[in-house]
Amino acid sequence: KAGVTQTPRYLIKTRGQQVTLSCSPISGHRSVSWYQQTPGQGLQFLFEYFSETQRNKGNFPGRFSGRQFSNSRSEMNVSTLELGDSALYLCASSRQGGYGNTIYFGEGSWLTVV
Amino acid sequence: GESVGLHLPTLSVQEGDNSIINCAYSNSASDYFIWYKQESGKGPQFIIDIRSNMDKRQGQRVTVLLNKTVKHLSLQIAATQPGDSAVYFCAETESRYTGANSKLTFGKGITLSVRP
Repeated sequence: KAGVTQTPRYLIKTRGQQVTLSCSPISGHRSVSWYQQTPGQGLQFLFEYFSETQRNKGNFPGRFSGRQFSNSRSEMNVSTLELGDSALYLCASSRQGGYGNTIYFGEGSWLTVV
Repeated sequence: GESVGLHLPTLSVQEGDNSIINCAYSNSASDYFIWYKQESGKGPQFIIDIRSNMDKRQGQRVTVLLNKTVKHLSLQIAATQPGDSAVYFCAETESRYTGANSKLTFGKGITLSVRP
């Protein structure tokens, strides 16, 4: 079956712009979470959605937001982009989230802010 | 804040040897641990997980050991192959997130390099 699909794979934005990234979870998975990966900070949790509701949030500023649709697809948005937002943004899905539910990652969206 | 850390940034092993990748965690409330492998240009790939009520779990060529007393996790790879070359991450989370998803805390990552 298809894995977690993220689009776009690569994008370049200018400081001050905003960006929207998309994630399609594995079929049947209702929990979607987002992570930011940078060489300096490693992998950091952004937020998680289940049944269109945000259940957990990491320590990121309000410029980072997300949502989930009724078909479990999710989007994340970053407004007023800063150079430090350049990173690999990873989406992960699991059947219902939580303990013991295997969490699968997509290939990520590479964002470069110039 | 608390974090998960890895002892060594790189590990070089001979093809065919066994590899051991170690991870220390500091959050005593962590009770679910996962190992991921990340190849260049790809997302993390699930390897194996373990709950805190277990000390050891085996998969195909991999074994995870958990020592809660010293907050230590290790990943053992048997008969290491060139395809095992990648960055390995340990990750942990707490039961209070079980009603939600995996608010995973990741270690910094260790690079495994397999010599032919």
